[in-house]
Amino acid sequence: DGGITQSPKYLFRKEGQNVTLSCEQNLNHDAMYWYRQDPGQGLRLIYYSQIVNDFQKGDIAEGYSVSREKKESFPLTVTSAQKNPTAFYLCASRSKGFTEAFFGQGTRLTVV
Amino acid sequence: QQQVKQSPQSLIVQKGGIPIINCAYENTAFDYFPWYQQFPGKGPALLIAIRPDVSEKKEGRFTISFNKSAKQFSLHIMDSQPGDSATYFCAATYNTDKLIFGTGTRLQVFP
Repeated sequence: DGGITQSPKYLFRKEGQNVTLSCEQNLNHDAMYWYRQDPGQGLRLIYYSQIVNDFQKGDIAEGYSVSREKKESFPLTVTSAQKNPTAFYLCASRSKGFTEAFFGQGTRLTVV
Repeated sequence: QQQVKQSPQSLIVQKGGIPIINCAYENTAFDYFPWYQQFPGKGPALLIAIRPDVSEKKEGRFTISFNKSAKQFSLHIMDSQPGDSATYFCAATYNTDKLIFGTGTRLQVFP
């Protein structure tokens, strides 16, 4: 089935540890996005990538890093520099032009 | 310039009512305006979208009205149902650049 897959669904991290969230799509989409969702704050853009081996910072990139080595994959690393990492993280992808973005089911990260 | 402002933050209507959610933008380069629906614990899903060369678009019970000169657009849900209870996000983008979302509107439809 075509779609976008995020894993894991739930993730617990100890303070001071880096953690990587996975995002894979088999839709042959060019662009991929990472968003953070906090209650009452909507979807805030962390990073996005329009093409392999290239990505741009969004509005809240500090404390996060990404890579885009393959068209299908756009992993997000939450580093220990991110002061408040507990949130719901959403990955999305879309083609060029006036097309819809497809979202994964999200990863809920909790720092313990 | 990159923001999309959405209101209201929450909305409560009775079944059959017509909730209206409004969004405004500044960047005139935006040329695609989608609306997404999100249920708790799930990723958002596209509901309906519009381009600025059209003033209105209707799909089933959902209608987008677009006012290019005012840089505003809105979502109307006709004959709302309890199953429409969800969070709604407007968004704006151009090509495959940033997809910018509004802050969301939590809609509750009571029987």
